[in-house]
Amino acid sequence: EAQVTQNPRYLITVTGKKLTVTCSQNMNHEYMSWYRQDPGLGLRQIYYSMNVEVTDKGDVPEGYKVSRKEKRNFPLILESPSPNQTSLYFCASSTAREQYFGPGTRLTVT
Amino acid sequence: GQQVMQIPQYQHVQEGEDFTTYCNSSTTLSNIQWYKQRPGGHPVFLIQLVKSGEVKKQKRLTFQFGEAKKNSSLHITATQTTDVGTYFCAVLTGNQFYFGTGTSLTVIP
Repeated sequence: EAQVTQNPRYLITVTGKKLTVTCSQNMNHEYMSWYRQDPGLGLRQIYYSMNVEVTDKGDVPEGYKVSRKEKRNFPLILESPSPNQTSLYFCASSTAREQYFGPGTRLTVT
Repeated sequence: GQQVMQIPQYQHVQEGEDFTTYCNSSTTLSNIQWYKQRPGGHPVFLIQLVKSGEVKKQKRLTFQFGEAKKNSSLHITATQTTDVGTYFCAVLTGNQFYFGTGTSLTVIP
């Protein structure tokens, strides 16, 4: 079954404690993205990757890092999380035509 | 970056009524995509439009891309409770995706 998986699905953490959200896809897509979703703001792209070892900033990259060492995996790293990074995060994997989204990770930073 | 304005932000309809959401851009778009997100769920791709004046239908859903490729609409005929959710438009500009802010649809039985 074609899918995008994310872990964890829910995370409550404290300010400054480094965390990683994993993302994996089994569709052999070259393009992958991370988004955050906040009420009234829609989905905003954080980072995207066109292929292995190729990553670029999206609209809201501050405070985030990514890496793309393998085609299937695209982890999102928050080195020093802050409360303003409390949000719903989605990973997506794309063809030229459509994006497939993971189930989401709800992150709360206190 | 690219701005895509989507209206309305919320829409409440009686079951059986029609619903329309609109996306507008100040610049010409090469394509536009539509997604649906059910409450508590993730966005799911509905369709992509690429041609000027394009109209595509999926059962009760009708998607249009404006002649000038600066606007698009999604129209649902005779809404059902299964249509509840948030509908987003999205555009790919360069290598980046930009989403509209979404229209949240509530269907009252």
